[in-house]
Order: sequence, then structure tokens, then C-alpha cells
Amino acid sequence: EIVMTQSPATLSVSPGERATLSCRASQSVSSKIAWYQQKPGQAPRLLIYGASTRATGIPARFSGSGSGTEFTLTISSLQSEDFAVYYCQQYNNWPPPYTFGQGTKLEIK
Amino acid sequence: EVQLVESGGGLVQPGGSLRLSCADSGFTFSSYSMDWVRQAPGKGLEWVSYISSDSSTIYYADSVKGRFTISRDNAKNSLYLQMNSLTDEDTAVYYCARENHGRYDYWGQGTLVTVSS
Repeated sequence: EIVMTQSPATLSVSPGERATLSCRASQSVSSKIAWYQQKPGQAPRLLIYGASTRATGIPARFSGSGSGTEFTLTISSLQSEDFAVYYCQQYNNWPPPYTFGQGTKLEIK
Repeated sequence: EVQLVESGGGLVQPGGSLRLSCADSGFTFSSYSMDWVRQAPGKGLEWVSYISSDSSTIYYADSVKGRFTISRDNAKNSLYLQMNSLTDEDTAVYYCARENHGRYDYWGQGTLVTVSS
């Protein structure tokens, strides 16, 4: 099973600043990684897939990069609605499981 | 508009059973693989089970294998999860999710399953 490790566990950033979240895979997952945003009491929402493709309706301030084992989600200028928990997920191996990282909580500084 | 609506959660005693449903609309349900993903209170996301579009391929997480059964009815646009021999470790919000080439592009709102005596 591929293990996904996210860092940091908690990130404190001020509104308007840039946030950089990291995700590392225990083995290569090519570019088959997705990022999700989850707010309290809500279901996760797909932000990025294929490591760098924004999902439908996702603002351009969200961007993803990386391949192989190292991936980054960047939020260029934080808005109040961006403070949430973010998960990465790999979907490279078959059959499942498609494993998730443990999450990064993005909080207001 | 794509909608996934789970139901069937609730309080159940250890060793008991529960059947979750996920009613789907706004897309061609029979064309997509579907999954169940759960989230224990205050914890991260855990994949539970996968079913292909025609039900021919099914997978389970080791933690639920032999106890949970995933199924679907394409005529009713519905996904199901039969959960037996429940333990307190199964306490979680259960989400159904549409799988689109590996990524989960739509999620239901979740249904809470609480296993407790």
C-alpha cells in the first residue's frame, strides 16, 4: 500500500499571503494525485487532479505541482474561505486502495 | 446538477448491522465506478470499498473485508453498503463518492454511523 505523508500537520498563514502544502508518496505515483478541501461539517471537495489540473469551478489561486513522489498545493493569496483541511490522495496503484494523506489544517494566523 | 444523497446511518450496537444507501442524480450513474469513503470523528479520510460501473469488479479495505458488502442498482441510480458485525472502530461519517478515473469528483454529504452500546 502506498503511504501518503502530508506536511506540515498545521499551517498558520495570514489572509492575503501564500500557502504551500506538501505531500509525499512512499513510492512513485506518477502524476496521479488529487487534492481535496474539507471544511467543518462538509464533504471533501475536489480541487486538483492529475497533480496540476484544477477541477471545475476551482479558482485560479489554487495550483498544484510535482510528479513522482513529491507534490505541492499552493494557494497564492489566501481568502477567508480557504481556511480548511486539505488532503492529498494518490490513485496510481491498481487495484485500490487509493490512499489519502493524513491532512494539513490551514488556519488563520 | 450532480447530487449524491446518503441515508441509512444511525446508532447501532456492537455486532449489529446497518445498510447505507446513496441515491444519485444529475449524471449517467451506470457509467461510473463508485466508492465508499469514511471519516472517523476528528480523523482523516479512509477508503472503504469500490464497485465498478457494471458491478463486475469489487474491492474492500482490509479493515472491512468479510463484514461489508457493496452493491449497486443502476436501474434505481443507487449505491449501497451493507455493514455487518459492526465494531466501535466503524464509527464514522460514511461518504459515497463518484470515481472519475481515480479521483473523486463528487461526494455526498455523508451519513453518520455510530456504533455504541
